[in-house]
Amino acid sequence: QKEVEQNSGPLSVPEGAIASLNCTYSDRGSQSFFWYRQYSGKSPELIMSIYSNGDKEDGRFTAQLNKASQYVSLLIRDSQPSDSATYLCAARNTGGFKTIFGAGTRLFVKA
Amino acid sequence: NAGVTQTPKFRILKIGQSMTLQCTQDMNHNYMYWYRQDPGMGLKLIYYSVGAGITDKGEVPNGYNVSRSTTEDFPLRLELAAPSQTSVYFCASSRTTSLSGNTIYFGEGSWLTVV
Repeated sequence: QKEVEQNSGPLSVPEGAIASLNCTYSDRGSQSFFWYRQYSGKSPELIMSIYSNGDKEDGRFTAQLNKASQYVSLLIRDSQPSDSATYLCAARNTGGFKTIFGAGTRLFVKA
Repeated sequence: NAGVTQTPKFRILKIGQSMTLQCTQDMNHNYMYWYRQDPGMGLKLIYYSVGAGITDKGEVPNGYNVSRSTTEDFPLRLELAAPSQTSVYFCASSRTTSLSGNTIYFGEGSWLTVV
């Protein structure tokens, strides 16, 4: 069974701190990786996608991918209370039709 | 910007009833999906479609059926509703499955309770 694993949390960080969210995946054929943010009662929205080993930065968000370790992470710098949400990690094979989602990590940013 | 639109947003069904969740997208995406999300759980793929007339099962297809008569529409049919089908249902679409175009866009969700 191909899986994406995340710590369910909750992860609690003070406002202004760096939040670090981690994810591992079991399918070595996975090529595309995504971080979605989901507020309570809302649908998931894409924050970052990453395809190559290394870091990818977009504003306060940095995604990191290590295919050898089958590990994906998301760093949120200068965390804000509005970042409080569940963060879903997802992995997909190129050309495949199935994106596998993790169960998500709940993040609380304390003001 | 409509994106992916699904209806209804909320529905209560009695055990054994049937219903259809409607989904339409206006982005001309070839790929469409139905996911369910149980409380505290990740998204599980029910069915997907790679184009009009083509559908296939995902991880949890039992108790559901789909059709794809047009590129825009991908309805999900629940036959003989059971309490285990109480969940939030998300319709979604993506442009391609290639590396650069496979971001999934979600509808706003449909909350279904079976009593």
